[in-house]
Amino acid sequence: QKEVEQNSGPLSVPEGAIASLNCTYSDRGSQSFFWYRQYSGKSPELIMFIYSNGDKEDGRFTAQLNKASQYVSLLIRDSQPSDSATYLCAVKTSGNQFYFGTGTSLTVIP
Amino acid sequence: GAVVSQHPSWVICKSGTSVKIECRSLDFQATTMFWYRQFPKQSLMLMATSNEGSKATYEQGVEKDKFLINHASLTLSTLTVTSAHPEDSSFYICSAPGLAGEKYNEQFFGPGTRLTVL
Repeated sequence: QKEVEQNSGPLSVPEGAIASLNCTYSDRGSQSFFWYRQYSGKSPELIMFIYSNGDKEDGRFTAQLNKASQYVSLLIRDSQPSDSATYLCAVKTSGNQFYFGTGTSLTVIP
Repeated sequence: GAVVSQHPSWVICKSGTSVKIECRSLDFQATTMFWYRQFPKQSLMLMATSNEGSKATYEQGVEKDKFLINHASLTLSTLTVTSAHPEDSSFYICSAPGLAGEKYNEQFFGPGTRLTVL
């Protein structure tokens, strides 16, 4: 398995705050990077993907990628209780395979 | 578009029996599908890559004789857990990658199958 590392958490933030999730990966050949949200007993849901260095924004979510540091992050602005879930970082290899991190559990406190 | 289904959604079986899980791409063709396993409070672990018309590629540590994969058509891949034991109890998820256009970078997941081996 390609190594994808995340802080397992749990991470707790108050409603309206910014939640910051981090991920590092070991395979420099990784092409694309994804953030998924997973609720207990359900399949992952795609939040967004990024493949170029820098920031990519989609609504309240911003993904940041630094390939030199092999680091990708996800910022959630104006966090809502419905954002409480496990967030999975995934990397896509040249073989089109996806490898997932261990996930970070996020709780947004009303 | 790009819907993946799995059947069954849950199954309970006795130790020593075999269980087959189906993964179907409903509105697109998938030459490749992926099988994952997820234990409670752990992440998705890639088990194998299923290739239509050829042998599956297994990740290191995954027993190919225990987890039989058949990708018989462009819309169907099956995972058979042979001689299942309690330690095989897990959440099994399949996925298929988008192949073209804006879907190229996406991975479409099935809803998962909860296997419990007694």
